[in-house]
Amino acid sequence: GAVVSQHPSWVICKSGTSVKIECRSLDFQATTMFWYRQFPKQSLMLMATSNEGSKATYEQGVEKDKFLINHASLTLSTLTVTSAHPEDSSFYICSARQSSYNSPLHFGNGTRLTVT
Amino acid sequence: SQQGEEDPQALSIQEGENATMNCSYKTSINNLQWYRQNSGRGLVHLILIRSNEREKHSGRLRVTLDTSKKSSSLLITASRAADTASYFCATGYNDMRFGAGTRLTVKP
Repeated sequence: GAVVSQHPSWVICKSGTSVKIECRSLDFQATTMFWYRQFPKQSLMLMATSNEGSKATYEQGVEKDKFLINHASLTLSTLTVTSAHPEDSSFYICSARQSSYNSPLHFGNGTRLTVT
Repeated sequence: SQQGEEDPQALSIQEGENATMNCSYKTSINNLQWYRQNSGRGLVHLILIRSNEREKHSGRLRVTLDTSKKSSSLLITASRAADTASYFCATGYNDMRFGAGTRLTVKP
């Protein structure tokens, strides 16, 4: 149980275009979803925390208008990278938490974004 | 910003040996969690230890927590080549933040 599906697993896009990444909890309801960015051989940097039905809480330095996060249901959150630039190329990972703070995070397999 | 730091950054051992990784954090916690990441993949939850617990076991994993020192350790006993991965600790309430991670290599 507790499967999170993240899609697509990789995407290549041209500068200036937008890319949408989906994160779905398949067999549980995710009260909270988290979006992370990871550079090679580095740790996960929290981008934003998303609670169902509310606006996402963005980390300092993360542009809200560039990284649009929507958490419209208890099983789906999306991250849209708008007007992508090469510096946005990275590994993006979502995770979902079922209920309380004492619940573990369940991760998608990540999306490798390459902007050319 | 990151919540804490793991050490060592990298660890290389032989199969059968034990591996110990440490994590330090900065703020008060409700729990501390350990995760594993294989290269290019998502993370897998290993173990969660609550702030009122001092030690927890799961199979070959043993986690300790010292809230007075704001530190935790993860011990993997009788390591296997398949344990090769990066290991991260994470803490947070409505925000879950990860440490820098330890890259473990287990040589067969």
